[in-house]
Amino acid sequence: QVQLQESGPGLVKPSETLSLTCTVSDGSISSYYWSWVRQPAGNGLEWIGRIYPSGSTNYNTSLKSRVTMSADTSKNQVSLKLSSVTAADTAVYYCASAYGDYAPFDYWGQGTLVTVSS
Amino acid sequence: DIQMTQSPSSLSASVGDRVTITCRASQGIGNYVAWYQQKPGKAPKLLIYAASTLQSGVPSRFSGSGSGTDFTLTISSLQPEDVATYYCQKYNSVPKTFGQGTKVEIK
Repeated sequence: QVQLQESGPGLVKPSETLSLTCTVSDGSISSYYWSWVRQPAGNGLEWIGRIYPSGSTNYNTSLKSRVTMSADTSKNQVSLKLSSVTAADTAVYYCASAYGDYAPFDYWGQGTLVTVSS
Repeated sequence: DIQMTQSPSSLSASVGDRVTITCRASQGIGNYVAWYQQKPGKAPKLLIYAASTLQSGVPSRFSGSGSGTDFTLTISSLQPEDVATYYCQKYNSVPKTFGQGTKVEIK
């Protein structure tokens, strides 16, 4: 089954750009939609956006101006960049896969904690 | 954007009790609802999709129902391992919004 692993810096300074990578194994990223979801400590799940490796992206309107997602099919990775971060962006960030445009998230990474602090 | 409103936000029940969690969409979404279980420190796990279809490997005490705007997750006989937070999600279109979550505890 598909396995997902998020990676990236655990600490980012305010106003800088958060960059995370989701590495996929036992499956091709070309076959799925890839979403990023975040969860501040003690809070619920927030959908950040998604990418289909053909290049199509959709972003949460609340974050759209700061989010960029990309895919590298040669490395079987998808990436998230979130610019101009503040403490409010401190959260566990998950990548998740959906086998279709209108499909639930059937595989999730373990999540990675990103703290925004100077 | 369509909002997903879950209730209650938390509940406490005894082992063996029947537990029901509801989720209401602000507009009709057909049956494009999924339910996830999240245990502390873990990623969410897909339990149910298409409002009522059990994901492979999920115990049959979990069930889902509903269509349009009103959806329900039921645990027919609560077990200690069911302690978790449960989230509904709409997935018919973007944004793929989640409900606020329902924390389930054992009394």
